[in-house]
Amino acid sequence: AQSVTQPDIHITVSEGASLELRCNYSYGATPYLFWYVQSPGQGLQLLLKYFSGDTLVQGIKGFEAEFKRSQSSFNLRKPSVHWSDAAEYFCAVAPAGVEYGNKLVFGAGTILRVKS
Amino acid sequence: DSGVTQTPKHLITATGQRVTLRCSPRSGDLSVYWYQQSLDQGLQFLIQYYNGEERAKGNILERFSAQQFPDLHSELNLSSLELGDSALYFCASSVDAPGRRSPLHFGNGTRLTVT
Repeated sequence: AQSVTQPDIHITVSEGASLELRCNYSYGATPYLFWYVQSPGQGLQLLLKYFSGDTLVQGIKGFEAEFKRSQSSFNLRKPSVHWSDAAEYFCAVAPAGVEYGNKLVFGAGTILRVKS
Repeated sequence: DSGVTQTPKHLITATGQRVTLRCSPRSGDLSVYWYQQSLDQGLQFLIQYYNGEERAKGNILERFSAQQFPDLHSELNLSSLELGDSALYFCASSVDAPGRRSPLHFGNGTRLTVT
């Protein structure tokens, strides 16, 4: 079945520590890949996207993500976490193929807590 | 600010009632998407409209309907409301030019509470 998996429901890191949030997808062809962040009571903000080309993509707020085709993964990273990064992070895919339109399929989300 | 405007921010209503959620997309965006976010189901795609026409359908109940008007704003109508319809409803928009993918930009959502 087609799916997006974020295996970690909660992650806690210390301020200043590095961060990696995992995302795996299951689709026949390489989809378009996204990471969004949601702060409490807010909408979803686009952090970064991968459509094609360089497999390491840079986003806003110092985030980056690496697409690994062999592992069907698109993990989000940040070298040094700030307290303001505490939020919920969603990985999303737009399946390739006209029949899907441009709808996004979201993972279940990972809640990031930052301790001082 | 994403540029996508959703009204109202909060809605409280009773079971069996009908409500309308409104969305104004970013300037220049032709597509509007509706999503439902709940604790048990996560973010679920409901429906997409492109330039006034339905483009894709997801897990949208028959009690729900949507439309996109000539000025590109969209409305999501929820009828015969049940307690389980309580959720955060997001609208998103994107350019979606032919043959070109573009990211979705989300509004801040409408929180619906059915009592």
